[in-house]
Amino acid sequence: GAVVSQHPSWVICKSGTSVKIECRSLDFQATTMFWYRQFPKQSLMLMATSNEGSKATYEQGVEKDKFLINHASLTLSTLTVTSAHPEDSSFYICSAKGPTNTGELFFGEGSRLTVL
Amino acid sequence: GENVEQHPSTLSVQEGDSAVIKCTYSDSASNYFPWYKQELGKRPQLIIDIRSNVGEKKDQRIAVTLNKTAKHFSLHITETQPEDSAVYFCAATIGNQGGKLIFGQGTELSVKP
Repeated sequence: GAVVSQHPSWVICKSGTSVKIECRSLDFQATTMFWYRQFPKQSLMLMATSNEGSKATYEQGVEKDKFLINHASLTLSTLTVTSAHPEDSSFYICSAKGPTNTGELFFGEGSRLTVL
Repeated sequence: GENVEQHPSTLSVQEGDSAVIKCTYSDSASNYFPWYKQELGKRPQLIIDIRSNVGEKKDQRIAVTLNKTAKHFSLHITETQPEDSAVYFCAATIGNQGGKLIFGQGTELSVKP
């Protein structure tokens, strides 16, 4: 149980376009999801906390108008990178708090974004 | 702000030897400390975790120790094998902020046969 799926696993887009990444909890309801970004050979950096039915909470330095997060249902959170630029190229990973209150997070497979 | 420091950044050991990775955290309210193994291009995999009310936890070749007073925790891998080679991340929750995790910088472990 506690499976999180992310789509797409990789995407290439042109500079200036927008890209949407989906994060789904397949077998449990996730009221809270987290979005991370990971540049090559670096750690996971928390971007924002996505809460079902309310606005996302962004970490300091993350532009909320550039990284739009929507958590419209208990099983789906989406991250839209708007007006993407080459410096947005990264590995984006979502995670969700599991169905039991253990503190464990369950990660999606990650999405590799390349902006040309 | 809250942060997690991890050392060393790279670690090379001979097969069969032990490997130790150390982390310190800044938020005294942190209460959950997981360790993840990440292979290139893959999602992080939880390998062991510990809560603030426990000082040590072991699972076969992997163990984690926690010193709350000093605010540091360590990962110990014994009898290392080449398949243990990966990047390892420690993490800590930020206070009572609903499961938000802050990650250490990562340790690239290389186990030489």
